[in-house]
Amino acid sequence: DGGITQSPKYLFRKEGQNVTLSCEQNLNHDAMYWYRQDPGQGLRLIYYSQIVNDFQKGDIAEGYSVSREKKESFPLTVTSAQKNPTAFYLCASSTPSGLAGNTGELFFGEGSRLTVL
Amino acid sequence: DAKTTQPPSMDCAEGRAANLPCNHSTISGNEYVYWYRQIHSQGPQYIIHGLKNNETNEMASLIITEDRKSSTLILPHATLRDTAVYYCIVRVPPFAGGTSYGKLTFGQGTILTVHP
Repeated sequence: DGGITQSPKYLFRKEGQNVTLSCEQNLNHDAMYWYRQDPGQGLRLIYYSQIVNDFQKGDIAEGYSVSREKKESFPLTVTSAQKNPTAFYLCASSTPSGLAGNTGELFFGEGSRLTVL
Repeated sequence: DAKTTQPPSMDCAEGRAANLPCNHSTISGNEYVYWYRQIHSQGPQYIIHGLKNNETNEMASLIITEDRKSSTLILPHATLRDTAVYYCIVRVPPFAGGTSYGKLTFGQGTILTVHP
């Protein structure tokens, strides 16, 4: 089935360590995004990519890095520079503009919960 | 994107209609209203969207006021599985010339609790 797969679902990290969260989609979507969600809060955009080999900072990009070498993949690295990395991370994708039937909706993965010990 | 205001929480009895309001008084002419919901510890799920006409799909109905400054999401027969956080978002989608793609602004939404 088509969809977005995030891994791992749960991850524990020691302070000072970098960690990479995986996001893979087989929906043939051009655009992909990373959001962060803290308890009781809405989603905040970290990075987004509209096309392969290009990505843009979102509202809270400090302490994070991404790459977009393949259309299907948009991994997120949480670096040691991120002061408060414990959160629920969500990856999403959307169809490119101009296609018939494009509703503009986002398709989300199931999320990765990162806990820093 | 225009800002939206939603009540922080609502309750609904199972089998009854759930009516979730959203204010978007600064909405511009080419901005659409989108609704998503998020069940606990899962990714958000798209529900419905509209511009100015009322919309209905298999999940819900969307009623947008004539002045477009507010809208209501209606779950006609709420079930326990509809308990979730519901987000109202206003944006210009790609098919309408929007360039923000998925750069959506999710507020805190409305926590809907459906009880037996």
